[in-house]
Amino acid sequence: ETVLTQSPGILSLSPGERATLFCRASQSVSSNFLAWYQQKPGQAPTLLIYGASKRATGIPDRFSGTGSGTEFTLAINRLEPEDSAVYYCQQKGGSPLYTFGQGTKLEI
Amino acid sequence: QVQLQESGPGLVEPSATLSLICSVSGDSISGNFWSWVRQSPGRGLEWIGYIYSSGATNYNPSLNSRVSMSVDASQNHFSLNLNSVTAADAAVYYCARLHFSSSEEFDPWGPGILVTVSS
Repeated sequence: ETVLTQSPGILSLSPGERATLFCRASQSVSSNFLAWYQQKPGQAPTLLIYGASKRATGIPDRFSGTGSGTEFTLAINRLEPEDSAVYYCQQKGGSPLYTFGQGTKLEI
Repeated sequence: QVQLQESGPGLVEPSATLSLICSVSGDSISGNFWSWVRQSPGRGLEWIGYIYSSGATNYNPSLNSRVSMSVDASQNHFSLNLNSVTAADAAVYYCARLHFSSSEEFDPWGPGILVTVSS
């Protein structure tokens, strides 16, 4: 199983600052198959980034994804209060076919 | 705009079968991959499996012996059955479309349905 470890567990920042969230895989992940999701309380996850760096439809360019191999990063520029959420990375590969990280809680 | 909606009982007895339906609007079941994901405080987000419109499936090996999925193109919905449930199966269950091309990700998701396991 490919285990995704996210850090930090909790990130507290102020509006206007930049957030950097990390996702480390226990084995190499194809960049095509790394995605990031945002989940607000009481809601389902929504897709932010796919293919490690491609923004999903309607996602502002304040959100960006980078990385390859076992290290991936989600950056959020110019933080807004509505960015408060839990962020998850997800990969495809191995068994089970899809796994998720444990999440990073972002507090603005 | 594609929308998914889970439905089914919110309470299942231990050892019984959990049965959920995901109704799809704004897109056709045909030609797409559809998936179930569950979320619990103890397990986080856990992929359960996917089904293609042809009926081909791929399940999480940890659940493989207890899970089955089916698709009903005439109703434009797909279903999840999980048998012999225990308290460990209590979770919010989400259905989602699985984009299956050069990349593979879940988008969109249904709002989720909370399933409790109790007698």
